[in-house]
Amino acid sequence: DIQMTQSPASLSASLGETVTIQCQASEDIYSGLAWYQQKPGKSPQLLIYGASSLQDGVPSRFSGSGSGTQYSLKISSMQTEDEGVYFCQQGLKYPPTFGAGTKLELK
Amino acid sequence: QVQLKETGPDLVQLTQTLSITCTVSGFSLTTYNVHWVRQPPGKGLEWMGAMWNGGGTDYNSAFKSRLSISRDTSKSQVFLKMNSLQTDDTAKYFCARPDYYSGAFDYWGQGVMVTVSS
Repeated sequence: DIQMTQSPASLSASLGETVTIQCQASEDIYSGLAWYQQKPGKSPQLLIYGASSLQDGVPSRFSGSGSGTQYSLKISSMQTEDEGVYFCQQGLKYPPTFGAGTKLELK
Repeated sequence: QVQLKETGPDLVQLTQTLSITCTVSGFSLTTYNVHWVRQPPGKGLEWMGAMWNGGGTDYNSAFKSRLSISRDTSKSQVFLKMNSLQTDDTAKYFCARPDYYSGAFDYWGQGVMVTVSS
C-alpha cells in the first residue's frame, strides 16, 4: 500500500496568516491526491482534487500544489472557520490511503 | 441533490457481526461507485472497500475475509457487513461517493458511530 505522511501533526495560526500543510507519498502518485477538511463530529469535506484543482464552493484562499511524491495544501489567509483537521488522500492505487491528519487551530 | 445516509447499531458485542446500510439519493448505484471508510475516535481515515457501479466489489486486504459489501439497486442501498468484531473496530463508519472523473470523495454520509463492547 502507498503510505501517506503528513506534516505537521498540528499547528496554530493567527487570523490572516498563511498556512502550509505537507503530504509525502511513499511512491510517485502522479498528482492523484486530494485534500479534505474535517470539523468535529462531521464528515470530511473535499477541498482539492487532482493535487491542485479546487472543488466547487471551496474558498479561493485554499490551494494545492505538488507532484511526484511531495504535495502541499496552502491556506493563504487563515480564517476562523478554517479550524479543523486536514487529511490528504492518494487515489492513484488501491487501496486509497489517507495521511494521519493535521490539526489546525486558531492562535 | 446527492445524499448518502448510514444507518446501523450504536453498539455491537465483541466477536459479533456489524451490519450498516448506506441509503443514497440523487444518483444511481449503477452509475456511481460507493465506498466505505471508517475512523476510530480521534484517529485518521481508513478505506475499507467499495461497491462498483457494475456490481463488483473491492476490499482492503487489512480486513481479510471479515468484510462483505453488497447492494440492492432497487432500494438505492449499499450494505456493509463485517464479522468477528474486536474493540479496535470501534469507529465511525462512513459511506462516500467518489467523483466520476477525479475519483476523490466529494460526497459523504454523516457516518454512524459504532462501539464494540466486551
